[in-house]
Amino acid sequence: DSGVTQTPKHLITATGQRVTLRCSPRSGDLSVYWYQQSLDQGLQFLIQYYNGEERAKGNILERFSAQQFPDLHSELNLSSLELGDSALYFCASSTIPTYEQFFGPGTRLTVL
Amino acid sequence: AQSVSQHNHHVILSEAASLELGCNYSYGGTVNLFWYVQYPGQHLQLLLKYFSGDPLVKGIKGFEAEFIKSKFSFNLRKPSVQWSDTAEYFCAVSGGSYIPTFGRGTSLIVHP
Repeated sequence: DSGVTQTPKHLITATGQRVTLRCSPRSGDLSVYWYQQSLDQGLQFLIQYYNGEERAKGNILERFSAQQFPDLHSELNLSSLELGDSALYFCASSTIPTYEQFFGPGTRLTVL
Repeated sequence: AQSVSQHNHHVILSEAASLELGCNYSYGGTVNLFWYVQYPGQHLQLLLKYFSGDPLVKGIKGFEAEFIKSKFSFNLRKPSVQWSDTAEYFCAVSGGSYIPTFGRGTSLIVHP
């Protein structure tokens, strides 16, 4: 158990819908990262927050957005969902951005 | 910027065989280096890390990695693999103030 929690574990929805994935980092970690993992694209970095502020952006679509709240939990919002958005979404946290990351169990999103 | 290259995308071994997975990075300054493992159906977990000091790093489950600065490499090794080592292995590097960049991953299958 890494100490990072993610909810829900599984999410099944339809194209065009909007979903919110939630992540709670390890106690004391200020940095939160979101990744998308699919068979064809591998592990893709989406976005990083540090103490409530966006710090780095990766291959995140405009239909996706994220935020980190004052209690440091983070939410990833995915809208206008397409079949290709079906993937595992991981959240990770770290104390210092350049240090090792601790990954949550992931949310498996299926878009039908 | 920094980048990571993992040369072997798929590796198939028999139990007791030796393992070496290649990882090369590009970054001109001081780096932190990581290997993560993802067992089937699970999240990424840290295998080992290098920040400074002895370039031969020992991690969990008998894995080790050697940092060779002149070759910009951080190869992962294990003298004798087991069926339970079947997993996806990711190399990651962070340099300067950059957050870790992950390689595409290497899928290892160990036949009993």
